[in-house]
Amino acid sequence: NAGVTQTPKFQVLKTGQSMTLQCAQDMNHEYMSWYRQDPGMGLRLIHYSVGAGITDQGEVPNGYNVSRSTTEDFPLRLLSAAPSQTSVYFCASSRGRATNEKLFFGSGTQLSVL
Amino acid sequence: AQKITQTQPGMFVQEKEAVTLDCTYDTSDPSYGLFWYKQPSSGEMIFLIYQGSYDQQNATEGRYSLNFQKARKSANLVISASQLGDSAMYFCAMREADYKLSFGAGTTVTVRA
Repeated sequence: NAGVTQTPKFQVLKTGQSMTLQCAQDMNHEYMSWYRQDPGMGLRLIHYSVGAGITDQGEVPNGYNVSRSTTEDFPLRLLSAAPSQTSVYFCASSRGRATNEKLFFGSGTQLSVL
Repeated sequence: AQKITQTQPGMFVQEKEAVTLDCTYDTSDPSYGLFWYKQPSSGEMIFLIYQGSYDQQNATEGRYSLNFQKARKSANLVISASQLGDSAMYFCAMREADYKLSFGAGTTVTVRA
């Protein structure tokens, strides 16, 4: 059972480059989200989706775009990478939106922007 | 305002002893969920335990228990009989009615042999 799959695991970009972080889940989860993890700041929500075709902004959305064309996939796009976007990125999903639904996490993407 | 506050950046604990990780939260929602996750040095996020705002009893999962004090808005994690494999970063998180899960800054636990 694959769960939540993120690719790539590591990525180095130059300032100004664009790229897409891929996220796919095979659990038919309704809710998907992207977080970034920075030292001393925990995980901060970038964008989330409550179903195909529905996305919304989290706490730190600037510089990132998302789309949800299928239930399974939720890619995160960096439009013009900046050094401030150097971070570890996690995709996470849950079966539903209820307050008792735990998130299942991907293994993370370590991104460095030079 | 911070929704989740973890005031202990790092802690040391002796093997086989118990350790308590502090977590306070801030919400005006009557219904919410509280979660603890473990992140070992390998980086993955591992779900440990859940407590619902309406739950009367404290949650327990093996060696993990959650000391839930609703009036104080506190949800401390207790790890009993610490093992070397418990060395990791631990995150407290809360899910409110707006679907989002908010995380604290985390506490690093180091278990000494």
